[in-house]
Amino acid sequence: QKEVEQDPGPLSVPEGAIVSLNCTYSNSAFQYFMWYRQYSRKGPELLMYTYSSGNKEDGRFTAQVDKSSKYISLFIRDSQPSDSATYLCAMSGQGGGSYIPTFGRGTSLIVHP
Amino acid sequence: NAGVTQTPKFQVLKTGQSMTLQCAQDMNHEYMSWYRQDPGMGLRLIHYSVGAGITDQGEVPNGYNVSRSTTEDFPLRLLSAAPSQTSVYFCASKKPLGSNYEQYFGPGTRLTVT
Repeated sequence: QKEVEQDPGPLSVPEGAIVSLNCTYSNSAFQYFMWYRQYSRKGPELLMYTYSSGNKEDGRFTAQVDKSSKYISLFIRDSQPSDSATYLCAMSGQGGGSYIPTFGRGTSLIVHP
Repeated sequence: NAGVTQTPKFQVLKTGQSMTLQCAQDMNHEYMSWYRQDPGMGLRLIHYSVGAGITDQGEVPNGYNVSRSTTEDFPLRLLSAAPSQTSVYFCASKKPLGSNYEQYFGPGTRLTVT
């Protein structure tokens, strides 16, 4: 079992839908939780960053972390065709070599007009 | 700032050939790393470096060498290319150690080994 599990999809939704993307993890030492967005034939870029538990909101995007369940989510409100991309979750700990992030496999999202 | 740059963008090699993938960053980041990305496999760490002169192996290091003679550059060498090394390769760099801030990725190198 991988340390970070993420459903690869694809997830296809109509424009305007609320999208929920999720990852589960097994390493309780993870403290930093990140979501990267990767457009086709491009490098990943950081979308959201959360430390420990709780929620973080940035425009149409909300990141949630539930450390008790080892479960993180990314919500996209009013999804747009331009949101079509692969979304990768990543996690890391504190100290020693644990700062090296562990990535999920990525979920492919398709938002159709 | 140019950020993280990678060359070449595309490369086709024959089995057994060697080559070097170049990576450079102009953000004075201590931490640099190389990943390969294959369909359904996500990003897998090949090698990483925490500063000039210091490198270490990641999850899939076999068949690859790295060196870090300067803060800016982190080349990845394929010693004897194999078809299993056909992949997209990403270089990334990160702000000072311990901060856990975001990694900045390069645009990638698409490598095909025939």
